[in-house]
Amino acid sequence: DVKVTQSSRYLVKRTGEKVFLECVQDMDHENMFWYRQDPGLGLRLIYFSYDVKMKEKGDIPEGYSVSREKKERFSLILESASTNQTSMYLCASSLWASGGTGTQYFGPGTRLLVL
Amino acid sequence: ELKVEQNPLFLSMQEGKNYTIYCNYSTTSDRLYWYRQDPGKSLESLFVLLSNGAVKQEGRLMASLDTKARLSTLHITAAVHDLSATYFCAGKETSGSRLTFGEGTQLTVNP
Repeated sequence: DVKVTQSSRYLVKRTGEKVFLECVQDMDHENMFWYRQDPGLGLRLIYFSYDVKMKEKGDIPEGYSVSREKKERFSLILESASTNQTSMYLCASSLWASGGTGTQYFGPGTRLLVL
Repeated sequence: ELKVEQNPLFLSMQEGKNYTIYCNYSTTSDRLYWYRQDPGKSLESLFVLLSNGAVKQEGRLMASLDTKARLSTLHITAAVHDLSATYFCAGKETSGSRLTFGEGTQLTVNP
């Protein structure tokens, strides 16, 4: 079974802090994704990566950056947390589409509260 | 740009009844996915539909894909309370690995 883990289930941070959210997958997937989910807004893609050291902006990259130094690990960084970044953050991974079904497998999520 | 729309967004049904959730998408998509999300939890993959006419079934849920109509359906048969959750469909554009998700359908099955 594919396993995607995220470093924290719940996180409370202060405005202006630098926040790191870590995601690790154990299935050698090329693609990794970061989403945020807010009531009424669905899932919105922040950043994704299709290879080590590669990254692509999603639909809402402002205020975020990412790092992918190893294939299994994809980090989301909030450079200076703000209250409007309070959200549920979901990480996902998938095989390159031509090598599989392209199904994204999701981690358990990190609920971040910025005070 | 692929857009995905689900309806209804909210569905309250009685146990034992049948119902269908619809998922329309705007441009060519070579794969269609269905996910389930329980309150406070993450998304769990239910089905992936890879071609026109594809049908997948698991328990009381059956998903189908009509690529000509750009429509996928998730049919619920004889609903039970355990099916209460939010269901998302997602499409993949023909190039790349991004998925575009619908808004989700919040299903409540009442006794």
